[in-house]
Amino acid sequence: QQQVKQSPQSLIVQKGGISIINCAYENTAFDYFPWYQQFPGKGPALLIAIRPDVSEKKEGRFTISFNKSAKQFSLHIMDSQPGDSATYFCAASFNDYKLSFGAGTTVTVRA
Amino acid sequence: NAGVTQTPKFQVLKTGQSMTLQCAQDMNHEYMSWYRQDPGMGLRLIHYSVGAGITDQGEVPNGYNVSRSTTEDFPLRLLSAAPSQTSVYFCASRQPRGGGTEAFFGQGTRLTVV
Repeated sequence: QQQVKQSPQSLIVQKGGISIINCAYENTAFDYFPWYQQFPGKGPALLIAIRPDVSEKKEGRFTISFNKSAKQFSLHIMDSQPGDSATYFCAASFNDYKLSFGAGTTVTVRA
Repeated sequence: NAGVTQTPKFQVLKTGQSMTLQCAQDMNHEYMSWYRQDPGMGLRLIHYSVGAGITDQGEVPNGYNVSRSTTEDFPLRLLSAAPSQTSVYFCASRQPRGGGTEAFFGQGTRLTVV
């Protein structure tokens, strides 16, 4: 049973548009929420991460929004570019080594 | 630094065969783990290690063994391969909190069991 539920499974966005991926969790002990980006044939790589003491974190065109009371967090990709086409995974952990991953979202950015 | 290195990149096994997937990291990370990635299921934790000589089970440990004799290496053994073990396997390493919590992944091993 997945501890982190991710949606949608896939999305298509036009270049310059906004991509939004949502995740929900049940375990209130989770205290670290990273997003990983994966290109075909490669391993996942950390994109951005947040801890529950802040509600938003922005790095360039990527923003995490975190709602502790709703136990939800989301990734916003602003001004989406074709190079952003990848699979994105949300994850959560309550210690430093056991990451629980969502099922992944395949993002396709059309030029 | 090479980061996390996995070998082989591709492997085809017959049902019942055994093999070892290799994982090595050169970042002196204490924590290492193995995940399998299947379509629509994300990455699921197989086994993990918090240091040399210490291992524990993750979500889906059945059919797999691990050992950690050195900080650098964390091999994953398939005891008797089954078609259900067809997957892409990723090894990851990370430092404990305070040293950074980013997990670094290898390039993956694509395993097919026929």
